[in-house]
Amino acid sequence: QKEVEQDPGPLSVPEGAIVSLNCTYSNSAFQYFMWYRQYSRKGPELLMYTYSSGNKEDGRFTAQVDKSSKYISLFIRDSQPSDSATYLCAMRNSGGYQKVTFGIGTKLQVIP
Amino acid sequence: EAGVAQSPRYKIIEKRQSVAFWCNPISGHATLYWYQQILGQGPKLLIQFQNNGVVDDSQLPKDRFSAERLKGVDSTLKIQPAKLEDSAVYLCASSLDLFRDEQYFGPGTRLTVT
Repeated sequence: QKEVEQDPGPLSVPEGAIVSLNCTYSNSAFQYFMWYRQYSRKGPELLMYTYSSGNKEDGRFTAQVDKSSKYISLFIRDSQPSDSATYLCAMRNSGGYQKVTFGIGTKLQVIP
Repeated sequence: EAGVAQSPRYKIIEKRQSVAFWCNPISGHATLYWYQQILGQGPKLLIQFQNNGVVDDSQLPKDRFSAERLKGVDSTLKIQPAKLEDSAVYLCASSLDLFRDEQYFGPGTRLTVT
C-alpha cells in the first residue's frame, strides 16, 4: 500500500464549478499537509500548507484535513481555466527534519 | 527575486551514456533538493543538501547517480551510465533552511533515454 493515494484523474469541470481534490494516506504520523499546483512543463508551486487537522482558506482555495479518516481535500471555488493544472498533495511527519512524501497528482481541466 | 534555475531544460541521450544537470537555487537558500518525477507520478526525493552537506540520499541509486554541492550554492546531478528507466523530469528545489516546508521548484530538466 502506498503511503499517499491520489486519483490521477483527469478531472474535467465547467468554468465556475466547485472542484474537490482529495488524498488519502496510511501513515498516522503525518502532521504537515501541503498542496502543490504544477502547470504543464513547470515545477510544482506551493498552494496551501496546513498543520494537523482543520480547515485553511486562501481566496478561492480551501484546504481541509481530517486526521481521523486520514483524508485531506483541496476545494477550489469559482474554478477558472487558469486553474487547469496537476494538483499534488504532499505531507510529512513532525519532529525536526522529515522527508516530504508526494501523491501522484490529479490532473484538472477547467473548460471555459 | 530570481527563482530556481536549471539547465539544460531538455536532454536526449542513449542508454549507457552519461549526463549532468545543473541547478542554481534561490539566493540565500541553504537547503537544496533533487527530485525525480517519472511521467504520471509524484516527485521522488533523490538527495537533499543542507549547505554543502548531504542530509538524505537514501533513495539515490548510488551505483549510477551522484550529486554534489561543493560550495553550498549551485549543485550538479550526474547519471552514469543512464538506463531507459531514468527517463523522467529531474526537478531541483530549494528552501530557506532544513525546517521550512515551503520548497521552491525550478522548471525541471526533461531527460529521455533511448
